[in-house]
Amino acid sequence: DAGVTQSPTHLIKTRGQQVTLRCSPKSGHDTVSWYQQALGQGPQFIFQYYEEEERQRGNFPDRFSGHQFPNYSSELNVNALLLGDSALYLCASSRGVGISYEQYFGPGTRLTVT
Amino acid sequence: GDSVTQMEGPVTLSEEAFLTINCTYTATGYPSLFWYVQYPGEGLQLLLKATKADDKGSNKGFEATYRKETTSFHLEKGSVQVSDSAVYFCALSSTNSGYALNFGKGTSLLVTP
Repeated sequence: DAGVTQSPTHLIKTRGQQVTLRCSPKSGHDTVSWYQQALGQGPQFIFQYYEEEERQRGNFPDRFSGHQFPNYSSELNVNALLLGDSALYLCASSRGVGISYEQYFGPGTRLTVT
Repeated sequence: GDSVTQMEGPVTLSEEAFLTINCTYTATGYPSLFWYVQYPGEGLQLLLKATKADDKGSNKGFEATYRKETTSFHLEKGSVQVSDSAVYFCALSSTNSGYALNFGKGTSLLVTP
């Protein structure tokens, strides 16, 4: 049973560029959430997708956008990259939405902005 | 708003020592509580969870009890191993947060032989 997968593993971009990160949820899961983890910090919630719609959004600017496809996979797009966007980006999936629902995380994409 | 506070690390223990990592929370209503573990260079793994007051979550020798009266969810293990060295995150999910996980800053644990 494949877990949550993310691509690419590492990415180096220059300030002002745009980046797209990808996530495939665990088999049987239909909800995808994205988190940003700065070095030495806990993950911060970016947004959540369910039924191909953004259902909930954290305190992140509009430069951060996403998409969910009919097969439940998801993309995170970040425009006009800033140095402060350098972080580990984690994707998590769950079966449905609810406070007791377990979210399973992928290995993350390490983004470095120079 | 909701928040989670964890004890600061790093925590250094000898193998077979008793582990406690403190976690307290602030939330409206009745959140669910989770502990996640992150090994170096990896994503987060769900360690255990509790969804209502007095529930005890347990997994791989780790335990945590949901204490509503003290708004706490402390992680414990009776005898740690070198392989337990990792960063541990306490998190909550609530209707107030729209079911997103709200994490603490993490506690780094180093177990020495």
